[in-house]
Amino acid sequence: QQQVKQSPQSLIVQKGGISIINCAYENTAFDYFPWYQQFPGKGPALLIAIRPDVSEKKEGRFTISFNKSAKQFSLHIMDSQPGDSATYFCAACRSGGYQKVTFGIGTKLQVIP
Amino acid sequence: KAGVTQTPRYLIKTRGQQVTLSCSPISGHRSVSWYQQTPGQGLQFLFEYFSETQRNKGNFPGRFSGRQFSNSRSEMNVSTLELGDSALYLCASSTGQSTTGELFFGEGSRLTVL
Repeated sequence: QQQVKQSPQSLIVQKGGISIINCAYENTAFDYFPWYQQFPGKGPALLIAIRPDVSEKKEGRFTISFNKSAKQFSLHIMDSQPGDSATYFCAACRSGGYQKVTFGIGTKLQVIP
Repeated sequence: KAGVTQTPRYLIKTRGQQVTLSCSPISGHRSVSWYQQTPGQGLQFLFEYFSETQRNKGNFPGRFSGRQFSNSRSEMNVSTLELGDSALYLCASSTGQSTTGELFFGEGSRLTVL
Protein backbone atom coordinates (compact mmCIF):
# COMPACT_ATOMS: atom_id res chain seq x y z
CA GLN A 1 0.00 0.00 0.00
CA GLN A 2 1.62 3.20 -1.23
CA GLN A 3 0.82 5.80 1.41
CA VAL A 4 2.55 8.49 -0.62
CA LYS A 5 1.79 8.41 -4.33
CA GLN A 6 4.22 10.20 -6.61
CA SER A 7 4.02 11.05 -10.30
CA PRO A 8 5.40 11.02 -12.88
CA GLN A 9 8.02 8.32 -12.44
CA SER A 10 10.17 9.86 -15.14
CA LEU A 11 10.35 13.36 -16.54
CA ILE A 12 12.33 14.98 -19.33
CA VAL A 13 12.53 18.76 -19.35
CA GLN A 14 14.38 21.21 -21.55
CA LYS A 15 17.01 23.40 -19.95
CA GLY A 16 15.32 26.54 -18.64
CA GLY A 17 11.94 24.87 -18.35
CA ILE A 18 9.83 24.11 -15.28
CA SER A 19 9.93 20.64 -13.77
CA ILE A 20 6.82 19.64 -11.82
CA ILE A 21 6.50 16.57 -9.61
CA ASN A 22 3.27 15.75 -7.82
CA CYS A 23 2.56 13.77 -4.68
CA ALA A 24 -0.53 12.76 -2.78
CA TYR A 25 -0.84 11.26 0.67
CA GLU A 26 -3.53 9.37 2.52
CA ASN A 27 -2.61 9.53 6.20
CA THR A 28 -3.92 12.77 7.69
CA ALA A 29 -1.58 12.28 10.65
CA PHE A 30 1.34 13.24 8.43
CA ASP A 31 2.46 16.75 9.27
CA TYR A 32 5.90 17.11 7.75
CA PHE A 33 6.65 16.76 4.06
CA PRO A 34 10.28 16.70 2.93
CA TRP A 35 11.68 16.29 -0.56
CA TYR A 36 14.89 14.40 -1.17
CA GLN A 37 17.24 14.56 -4.14
CA GLN A 38 19.39 11.60 -5.12
CA PHE A 39 22.23 11.61 -7.63
CA PRO A 40 23.49 8.32 -9.14
CA GLY A 41 25.73 6.43 -6.73
CA LYS A 42 24.78 8.66 -3.81
CA GLY A 43 22.29 8.48 -1.00
CA PRO A 44 19.28 10.81 -0.97
CA ALA A 45 19.81 14.27 0.51
CA LEU A 46 17.20 16.62 1.94
CA LEU A 47 16.30 19.31 -0.58
CA ILE A 48 13.42 21.26 0.92
CA ALA A 49 10.57 20.56 3.34
CA ILE A 50 7.18 22.00 4.28
CA ARG A 51 4.60 21.77 7.06
CA PRO A 52 0.85 21.82 6.25
CA ASP A 53 0.27 25.21 7.90
CA VAL A 54 2.14 26.75 4.98
CA SER A 55 0.75 26.65 1.42
CA GLU A 56 4.01 27.39 -0.33
CA LYS A 57 7.72 27.40 0.43
CA LYS A 58 10.43 28.62 -1.87
CA GLU A 59 14.17 28.07 -1.72
CA GLY A 60 16.02 29.41 -4.70
CA ARG A 61 14.68 27.71 -7.83
CA PHE A 62 12.82 25.08 -5.80
CA THR A 63 9.24 25.63 -4.63
CA ILE A 64 6.89 23.33 -2.73
CA SER A 65 3.16 23.93 -3.07
CA PHE A 66 0.89 22.31 -0.49
CA ASN A 67 -2.87 21.72 -0.65
CA LYS A 68 -3.98 20.35 2.70
CA SER A 69 -7.64 19.83 1.79
CA ALA A 70 -6.71 17.80 -1.29
CA LYS A 71 -3.87 16.05 0.55
CA GLN A 72 -1.53 16.90 -2.29
CA PHE A 73 1.81 18.62 -2.60
CA SER A 74 4.16 19.30 -5.44
CA LEU A 75 7.70 20.33 -6.24
CA HIS A 76 8.41 22.92 -8.90
CA ILE A 77 11.91 23.42 -10.22
CA MET A 78 12.13 26.71 -12.06
CA ASP A 79 14.73 27.35 -14.77
CA SER A 80 15.71 23.67 -14.71
CA GLN A 81 19.39 22.97 -15.31
CA PRO A 82 21.24 19.82 -16.44
CA GLY A 83 22.76 19.68 -12.94
CA ASP A 84 19.24 19.15 -11.57
CA SER A 85 19.12 15.77 -13.30
CA ALA A 86 18.55 13.36 -10.44
CA THR A 87 15.88 11.26 -8.79
CA TYR A 88 13.49 13.16 -6.55
CA PHE A 89 11.52 11.62 -3.71
CA CYS A 90 8.65 13.20 -1.91
CA ALA A 91 8.08 11.96 1.62
CA ALA A 92 5.83 12.35 4.61
CA CYS A 93 6.09 11.73 8.32
CA ARG A 94 4.63 12.56 11.69
CA SER A 95 6.47 15.00 13.89
CA GLY A 96 6.88 14.35 17.57
CA GLY A 97 7.26 10.66 16.98
CA TYR A 98 9.92 8.38 15.69
CA GLN A 99 12.02 8.61 12.56
CA LYS A 100 9.74 6.68 10.22
CA VAL A 101 9.58 8.51 6.93
CA THR A 102 7.30 7.28 4.17
CA PHE A 103 8.69 7.92 0.70
CA GLY A 104 7.09 8.15 -2.71
CA ILE A 105 8.32 5.90 -5.50
CA GLY A 106 10.61 8.58 -6.92
CA THR A 107 10.79 10.65 -10.10
CA LYS A 108 13.80 10.40 -12.37
CA LEU A 109 14.31 13.86 -13.83
CA GLN A 110 16.44 14.45 -16.90
CA VAL A 111 17.12 18.01 -17.97
CA ILE A 112 18.35 18.17 -21.53
CA PRO A 113 20.38 21.09 -22.98
CA LYS B 1 32.20 16.38 10.02
CA ALA B 2 32.25 12.89 8.56
CA GLY B 3 29.07 11.67 6.93
CA VAL B 4 27.28 8.38 7.25
CA THR B 5 29.52 5.46 6.34
CA GLN B 6 28.17 2.16 5.07
CA THR B 7 30.13 -1.01 4.49
CA PRO B 8 30.47 -2.95 2.34
CA ARG B 9 29.46 -0.86 -0.66
CA TYR B 10 28.88 -3.85 -2.93
CA LEU B 11 28.38 -7.51 -2.27
CA ILE B 12 27.17 -10.59 -4.09
CA LYS B 13 25.54 -13.48 -2.29
CA THR B 14 23.67 -16.60 -3.32
CA ARG B 15 20.19 -17.66 -2.30
CA GLY B 16 19.99 -19.08 1.18
CA GLN B 17 23.04 -17.26 2.48
CA GLN B 18 22.93 -14.50 5.05
CA VAL B 19 24.43 -11.03 4.98
CA THR B 20 25.37 -8.38 7.52
CA LEU B 21 25.60 -4.72 6.60
CA SER B 22 27.19 -2.05 8.73
CA CYS B 23 26.45 1.63 9.26
CA SER B 24 28.37 4.30 11.15
CA PRO B 25 26.22 7.39 11.74
CA ILE B 26 27.29 11.00 11.90
CA SER B 27 29.04 11.75 15.16
CA GLY B 28 26.50 12.75 17.78
CA HIS B 29 23.55 11.19 15.97
CA ARG B 30 21.77 8.59 18.06
CA SER B 31 19.12 7.47 15.57
CA VAL B 32 19.84 5.09 12.73
CA SER B 33 17.24 4.05 10.19
CA TRP B 34 17.48 1.48 7.43
CA TYR B 35 15.73 1.61 4.07
CA GLN B 36 15.55 -0.75 1.12
CA GLN B 37 15.64 0.92 -2.28
CA THR B 38 14.45 -0.87 -5.40
CA PRO B 39 13.44 0.58 -8.79
CA GLY B 40 9.84 -0.56 -8.51
CA GLN B 41 9.20 0.27 -4.85
CA GLY B 42 11.27 3.35 -4.10
CA LEU B 43 12.50 3.57 -0.52
CA GLN B 44 10.90 1.17 1.91
CA PHE B 45 11.39 1.64 5.65
CA LEU B 46 12.94 -1.34 7.43
CA PHE B 47 13.49 -0.22 11.01
CA GLU B 48 14.84 2.54 13.21
CA TYR B 49 17.06 2.36 16.27
CA PHE B 50 17.65 4.97 18.93
CA SER B 51 20.03 4.44 21.84
CA GLU B 52 20.24 0.70 21.11
CA THR B 53 16.43 0.27 21.11
CA GLN B 54 14.30 -0.48 18.08
CA ARG B 55 11.63 2.22 18.08
CA ASN B 56 9.91 1.46 14.82
CA LYS B 57 9.68 -1.34 12.31
CA GLY B 58 8.44 -1.57 8.74
CA ASN B 59 6.56 -4.37 7.03
CA PHE B 60 9.39 -6.73 6.27
CA PRO B 61 9.65 -10.41 7.19
CA GLY B 62 11.54 -11.56 10.24
CA ARG B 63 14.52 -12.49 8.05
CA PHE B 64 15.41 -8.82 8.25
CA SER B 65 16.83 -7.80 11.60
CA GLY B 66 19.05 -5.15 13.02
CA ARG B 67 20.77 -3.88 16.09
CA GLN B 68 22.49 -0.82 17.37
CA PHE B 69 25.55 -0.63 19.55
CA SER B 70 26.36 1.74 22.38
CA ASN B 71 28.45 3.91 20.04
CA SER B 72 25.36 4.28 17.78
CA ARG B 73 26.84 2.15 15.02
CA SER B 74 24.25 -0.16 13.55
CA GLU B 75 24.13 -3.42 11.68
CA MET B 76 21.36 -5.06 9.74
CA ASN B 77 21.21 -8.72 8.92
CA VAL B 78 19.26 -10.58 6.28
CA SER B 79 19.08 -14.33 6.65
CA THR B 80 18.08 -16.95 4.09
CA LEU B 81 18.54 -14.57 1.21
CA GLU B 82 16.04 -14.57 -1.65
CA LEU B 83 16.44 -13.20 -5.18
CA GLY B 84 13.99 -10.42 -4.32
CA ASP B 85 16.31 -9.14 -1.61
CA SER B 86 18.58 -7.70 -4.28
CA ALA B 87 18.50 -3.99 -3.61
CA LEU B 88 20.36 -0.95 -2.41
CA TYR B 89 20.24 -0.83 1.37
CA LEU B 90 20.47 2.67 2.74
CA CYS B 91 21.29 3.73 6.24
CA ALA B 92 20.27 7.14 7.51
CA SER B 93 21.21 8.88 10.71
CA SER B 94 19.62 11.74 12.60
CA THR B 95 19.65 13.22 16.06
CA GLY B 96 16.44 11.33 16.76
CA GLN B 97 15.22 14.05 19.09
CA SER B 98 12.23 14.95 16.94
CA THR B 99 10.77 13.69 13.72
CA THR B 100 11.44 16.40 11.21
CA GLY B 101 12.11 14.08 8.33
CA GLU B 102 15.70 15.27 8.09
CA LEU B 103 17.65 12.13 7.50
CA PHE B 104 21.28 12.00 6.51
CA PHE B 105 21.85 9.06 4.21
CA GLY B 106 24.92 7.04 3.46
CA GLU B 107 25.76 5.94 -0.08
CA GLY B 108 24.30 2.52 0.51
CA SER B 109 25.27 -1.12 0.28
CA ARG B 110 24.27 -2.70 -3.01
CA LEU B 111 23.34 -6.33 -2.50
CA THR B 112 22.99 -8.73 -5.40
CA VAL B 113 21.51 -12.15 -4.71
CA LEU B 114 22.18 -14.82 -7.33
